[in-house]
Amino acid sequence: GQQLNQSPQSMFIQEGEDVSMNCTSSSIFNTWLWYKQEPGEGPVLLIALYKAGELTSNGRLTAQFGITRKDSFLNISASIPSDVGIYFCAGRPGRTGANNLFFGTGTRLTVIP
Amino acid sequence: GAVVSQHPSRVICKSGTSVKIECRSLDFQATTMFWYRQFPKQSLMLMATSNEGSKATYEQGVEKDKFLINHASLTLSTLTVTSAHPEDSSFYICSALVRANTEAFFGQGTRLTVV
Repeated sequence: GQQLNQSPQSMFIQEGEDVSMNCTSSSIFNTWLWYKQEPGEGPVLLIALYKAGELTSNGRLTAQFGITRKDSFLNISASIPSDVGIYFCAGRPGRTGANNLFFGTGTRLTVIP
Repeated sequence: GAVVSQHPSRVICKSGTSVKIECRSLDFQATTMFWYRQFPKQSLMLMATSNEGSKATYEQGVEKDKFLINHASLTLSTLTVTSAHPEDSSFYICSALVRANTEAFFGQGTRLTVV
């Protein structure tokens, strides 16, 4: 299936710093999602984006749906230790949840207290 | 939000045996459930889409006779790994769709180890 290129692969940051990660695709997606996964757990949805150019926030998290519909980014402001985990972007060609969801390669975030 | 429960969370089995993993939607009815596989430090790969009352749709390269999926009710889908081999060891995750125009929620995953 399709794979999304996510960068960076890993990040080590000091507590309090801001974080930015992005995801690109060679094809157009109509839905972009960002998930966080902690060890031994399933992914948890953080933010869902449904419209090109859309900018959405969830607390300290902000994500944007790229205008070209081939990319998205996620920012985390003022990081805290519990932000540690793997962040995945996911894209869907269609607009409904019944369509296939393709996942990025993940960004492993480590926050140093 | 909607709760999806997977059972068991961990299982160790011997080569050649079969293992069944359950995915339940606890507080909603899910007409569609998805099964994913995740290798260590890698992303989630979709294995199959399971629709209640009909045959599952498998992704290319996934053997349907090896990974049997049954979606017998609106709250339960099962994945059976038949004649398991060590290379089947992986983290298996399901997700369930509340409605077609919403997002799917993920279960907590099942770590399968075949020895």
